Amino acid sequence: DGGITQSPKYLFRKEGQNVTLSCEQNLNHDAMYWYRQDPGQGLRLIYYSQIVNDFQKGDIAEGYSVSREKKESFPLTVTSAQKNPTAFYLCASSSRTARYTFGSGTRLTVV
Amino acid sequence: AQKVTQAQTEISVVEKEDVTLDCVYETRDTTYYLFWYKQPPSGELVFLIRRNSFDEQNEISGRYSWNFQKSTSSFNFTITASQVVDSAVYFCALSEERDSGGSNYKLTFGKGTLLTVNP
Repeated sequence: DGGITQSPKYLFRKEGQNVTLSCEQNLNHDAMYWYRQDPGQGLRLIYYSQIVNDFQKGDIAEGYSVSREKKESFPLTVTSAQKNPTAFYLCASSSRTARYTFGSGTRLTVV
Repeated sequence: AQKVTQAQTEISVVEKEDVTLDCVYETRDTTYYLFWYKQPPSGELVFLIRRNSFDEQNEISGRYSWNFQKSTSSFNFTITASQVVDSAVYFCALSEERDSGGSNYKLTFGKGTLLTVNP
């Protein structure tokens, strides 16, 4: 079945470390997204990509970086510049008819 | 700028009660999509419905129904005869009109409504 795979499910980061969250889709969707969710909050857009080798900042891009070298993959790096990275991260993709699919999420904790 | 408001932060009901979750949105786009998602404690987002701005028909799916009214910019969600398994956080979301020729639909989410259904 087609879908989005996010890994790992849980991730722990030490202060000052960069970590990379994986997101892979086999839906042949052009667009991919990263959202962040904090407790009691809705999801906020970090980055999105419409095509390979192109991506745009969302509402809260500071301290994050992405790449889109393949259509299927859209990894997110949480850099040491992100001062409050503890959150739940969701990757998504969408078709040209706005059919959205979300991954199961990665819970990142700073230790 | 787009905005989605879910004024109800938490709702608690007893099983078999009907419950309505409110969603009010703001957008300057003439073409847009509205979504409802369910998020159980596991965290995964479960898709419930997608409605485009041209389709104001109300929809019913089993115990779920949706009332879309452009005149009041509202897209409310009703669960009939609620069950304990309906307990979750429910999100309403709005997409921008996609970029010309593209497939990008950025979503703006409300803050969610925590629904607790007690036995």
